[in-house]
Amino acid sequence: DAGVTQSPTHLIKTRGQQVTLRCSPISGHKSVSWYQQVLGQGPQFIFQYYEKEERGRGNFPDRFSARQFPNYSSELNVNALLLGDSALYLCASISAQRIDTQYFGPGTRLTVL
Amino acid sequence: QKEVEQNSGPLSVPEGAIASLNCTYSDRGSQSFFWYRQYSGKSPELIMSIYSNGDKEDGRFTAQLNKASQYVSLLIRDSQPSDSATYLCAVIEDTDKLIFGTGTRLQVFP
Repeated sequence: DAGVTQSPTHLIKTRGQQVTLRCSPISGHKSVSWYQQVLGQGPQFIFQYYEKEERGRGNFPDRFSARQFPNYSSELNVNALLLGDSALYLCASISAQRIDTQYFGPGTRLTVL
Repeated sequence: QKEVEQNSGPLSVPEGAIASLNCTYSDRGSQSFFWYRQYSGKSPELIMSIYSNGDKEDGRFTAQLNKASQYVSLLIRDSQPSDSATYLCAVIEDTDKLIFGTGTRLQVFP
């Protein structure tokens, strides 16, 4: 079985632009979470989606939004990019049987210039 | 919001030694605890979970939980240079979000 996949791997944007990051969970998993990891810090929770519904939102501005599709894949959108949005964006796949156990994808490295 | 504290390190140990990584958490009601390993430039990899007081062993790894002291630790026996990474401690909040510490960087030297 394939693990969690994320695309793109790397991305370079300029301030003010918009970006869309994509994630496909492990087959059979219906829930995904998004995290932001700034260099030297632990990951910070952004969103969680289950069955296309938002179940949780972290302390991030409204420039951050996400959605989940019928096939359980997910997109994270960030508008009006700031330099401080430069980070590794991680998607975690969550099993319905063990909702507290999260498996991370390889991440998308976003650089904002 | 719950807080998780870790010493950022680096923790340097010789090959073959026991590495001891520590973590404290703020919410006495926390029930689920996790250790992730993160190599430089890579994503976190789940290596241990623990839910009950005491020790849980998996190969060279032992997780220890003391809820009264709000303390979680990870022991790595027979440390290898390939164990050199950042180790992230995490707790669950509201059943759906992980709260991470800043991680402890472990260096195992030959």
